[in-house]
Amino acid sequence: EAEVAQSPRYKITEKSQAVAFWCDPISGHATLYWYRQILGQGPELLVQFQDESVVDDSQLPKDRFSAERLKGVDSTLKIQPAELGDSAMYLCASSLAVDRKKYFGAGTRLSVL
Amino acid sequence: AQRVTQPEKLLSVFKGAPVELKCNYSYSGSPELFWYVQYSRQRLQLLLRHISRESIKGFTADLNKGETSFHLKKPFAQEEDSAMYYCALSGSSNTGKLIFGQGTTLQVKP
Repeated sequence: EAEVAQSPRYKITEKSQAVAFWCDPISGHATLYWYRQILGQGPELLVQFQDESVVDDSQLPKDRFSAERLKGVDSTLKIQPAELGDSAMYLCASSLAVDRKKYFGAGTRLSVL
Repeated sequence: AQRVTQPEKLLSVFKGAPVELKCNYSYSGSPELFWYVQYSRQRLQLLLRHISRESIKGFTADLNKGETSFHLKKPFAQEEDSAMYYCALSGSSNTGKLIFGQGTTLQVKP
């Protein structure tokens, strides 16, 4: 079965450094989501793409976070500069359409020291 | 405000015992409710959705709009049911955005 790919699996960085995460959705999936999951909490949506367009980025801290999905396929989430509070699991999910089943990637665990 | 509440962080039962994972929601409209599960070392995956009204792995969940609840139930727990369970809702904005609860760890003891 096809899976959502994410890399890296783990990332350790120092405060004020820049980090980037990559997500490759299942082929053909038009909708792509980035979620952040802080330890002990449920995932929280950061940004949603429909093809290459941002549909919802209301919870994205835009002063330091950016996301792009050029060509409407894979996506990159960037944090610059990283802060201690950014330590979390970053999950990517994709679906054929907004009302279809969502498939989650394994996530990138970020630790900011 | 849109919110999903799972009051129990941990639920521990013995194999064969009934299980009920609680979920309450707050939403001014007609949301769609889901249960997601994450087994150890696996990805988060959909377990069931209320509109399907189906039983998956022996689990069922009924949407109670009066009590704004969507509790997950299974009559006889199995050890392989041990996992983290998340309740989530999707609103009527048609974006597919999921709002998750904090999750409940289900531990089924032999």
